[in-house]
Amino acid sequence: DGGITQSPKYLFRKEGQNVTLSCEQNLNHDAMYWYRQDPGQGLRLIYYSQIVNDFQKGDIAEGYSVSREKKESFPLTVTSAQKNPTAFYLCASSFGPSSGNTIYFGEGSWLTVV
Amino acid sequence: QKEVEQDPGPLSVPEGAIVSLNCTYSNSAFQYFMWYRQYSRKGPELLMYTYSSGNKEDGRFTAQVDKSSKYISLFIRDSQPSDSATYLCAMSGRSGGSNYKLTFGKGTLLTVNP
Repeated sequence: DGGITQSPKYLFRKEGQNVTLSCEQNLNHDAMYWYRQDPGQGLRLIYYSQIVNDFQKGDIAEGYSVSREKKESFPLTVTSAQKNPTAFYLCASSFGPSSGNTIYFGEGSWLTVV
Repeated sequence: QKEVEQDPGPLSVPEGAIVSLNCTYSNSAFQYFMWYRQYSRKGPELLMYTYSSGNKEDGRFTAQVDKSSKYISLFIRDSQPSDSATYLCAMSGRSGGSNYKLTFGKGTLLTVNP
């Protein structure tokens, strides 16, 4: 089945640790995105990439890092510099500009700092 | 003024009711309008996509865009308990411009009671 796969679904992190969330898509989409969702705050864009080996900061990039070495993959690292990392993280992808920027989401990853 | 305003609800209706969900926006450059449905603890799924002004119907769902009033709506006819979810509006401008990235509303929580 075509889609976006995020892993792990649930992740616990100790303070001071870096963690990496995986996102893989087999939709042949050019663009990929990472969003963070907190209760009452809606979706906030962390990073996005429109092409392999290139990515841009979103609205809340501090404390996060990404890479885009393959078209299908866009992993997100939550570093120890992120002050409040407990949240629901959503990966998304789209065909890019020609699609009117319609994006499709994965099932999400829950990160809890303990 | 926020770029996209969406009443967070919660909205509770009896089964079979007609539901109206709305968003207002301030950026006249927005041309692409989307509605996403998000079930609890899941990623959002694309429900409706509309370009520019007008209506679009898909089964029990109708999306309306009034660019002159900067107002979009999603109507759900014959609502079902399975429609209980959070509904997010999203919009973007033309590709290549600063408004290209999707801007989301914060979502409206809908409960349809049997």
